[in-house]
Amino acid sequence: DGGITQSPKYLFRKEGQNVTLSCEQNLNHDAMYWYRQDPGQGLRLIYYSQIVNDFQKGDIAEGYSVSREKKESFPLTVTSAQKNPTAFYLCASNGPNTEAFFGQGTRLTVV
Amino acid sequence: LAKTTQPISMDSYEGQEVNITCSHNNIATNDYITWYQQFPSQGPRFIIQGYKTKVTNEVASLFIPADRKSSTLSLPRVSLSDTAVYYCLVENNFNKFYFGSGTKLNVKP
Repeated sequence: DGGITQSPKYLFRKEGQNVTLSCEQNLNHDAMYWYRQDPGQGLRLIYYSQIVNDFQKGDIAEGYSVSREKKESFPLTVTSAQKNPTAFYLCASNGPNTEAFFGQGTRLTVV
Repeated sequence: LAKTTQPISMDSYEGQEVNITCSHNNIATNDYITWYQQFPSQGPRFIIQGYKTKVTNEVASLFIPADRKSSTLSLPRVSLSDTAVYYCLVENNFNKFYFGSGTKLNVKP
């Protein structure tokens, strides 16, 4: 089945550690996105990529980094510079003139 | 990007029709109106999209007046499983998706 897969579902990070969240899609979509969601809040755009080897900062990119080496993959690294990383992270993709398709999310907790 | 305004929350009862209105006063000519649904601890999923007048699918209807400055998502005969957050987006080119805080719909028995 075509879809977008995020892993892991739950992730725990110690203070000062970098962690990488995986996002893979087999929908042949050019565009991919990362969002952060805090409890009771909407989604905020972290980074997005319209094409392989290119990506742009969203509204809250500080403390995060991404790469887009393959069309299917758009991993997000939460660095130690991100002071409040505990949140629900959502990855999405879309094709030309189509709606966004979301993964099931990764819940990151700092311990 | 056009900013959208929605009610923070709504309550309804099973079997009722629910209408959620979204204001987008600065909508541009090329913008489409899209609604998503999100259950707790899941990613949002597409419900319906329209440009003008009325659009209907198997899940919902979308009403857009002539001036396009607002839109109304209509959910017929809601059930408990329709309890979720509903987001209204205004977008063009489909190259960015800005989600506001959405409307939390609580369906009661």
